[in-house]
Amino acid sequence: GAVVSQHPSRVICKSGTSVKIECRSLDFQATTMFWYRQFPKQSLMLMATSNEGSKATYEQGVEKDKFLINHASLTLSTLTVTSAHPEDSSFYICSAGYTYTEAFFGQGTRLTVV
Amino acid sequence: RKEVEQDPGPFNVPEGATVAFNCTYSNSASQSFFWYRQDCRKEPKLLMSVYSSGNEDGRFTAQLNRASQYISLLIRDSKLSDSATYLCVVNRRDDYKLSFGAGTTVTVRA
Repeated sequence: GAVVSQHPSRVICKSGTSVKIECRSLDFQATTMFWYRQFPKQSLMLMATSNEGSKATYEQGVEKDKFLINHASLTLSTLTVTSAHPEDSSFYICSAGYTYTEAFFGQGTRLTVV
Repeated sequence: RKEVEQDPGPFNVPEGATVAFNCTYSNSASQSFFWYRQDCRKEPKLLMSVYSSGNEDGRFTAQLNRASQYISLLIRDSKLSDSATYLCVVNRRDDYKLSFGAGTTVTVRA
């Protein structure tokens, strides 16, 4: 299957700083990637859809100025959590759809804001 | 109402037992259905797609009931390695977006 690589897998940052998470499709081109957030014992919640060469589309309730998404190439999307706060601590995961029948996920990033 | 709802469990079963659980979805226009498996602190991985006629993959059987808008997963002859959270996932063909259930936790004990 297709491979999606996400980096870093784990990050701890201080409150008020920014953190960048990268999502790469390694063996296919992804015009669309998705960013999710998962809190403990909860479902994955779609945050935004990242579109190559255009602005991301955000789900209702997700602050676009706080979660900056850049999809500058067909194989890379980045999510930057700006001015992170402890409540932003979560598991962030990206996916890219190779076909509409399956999504391929990155390994996820566990963010802890202290 | 959530788009996809699942019984969270946990289902605690002995090795060799059969366990089954359902998920319901609210969008009647949903086109594709999947079961993903998620191990603790890991990314979800596709377990199987769910087809209208029902399908089987080894010890796993998935069923889809469009009229009642539910999907089921049955695991036969449970193994310790089946312990995980099983996510019901529904894909709308038009925009590739996935809606996830919160997951059903299964624990298989020796």
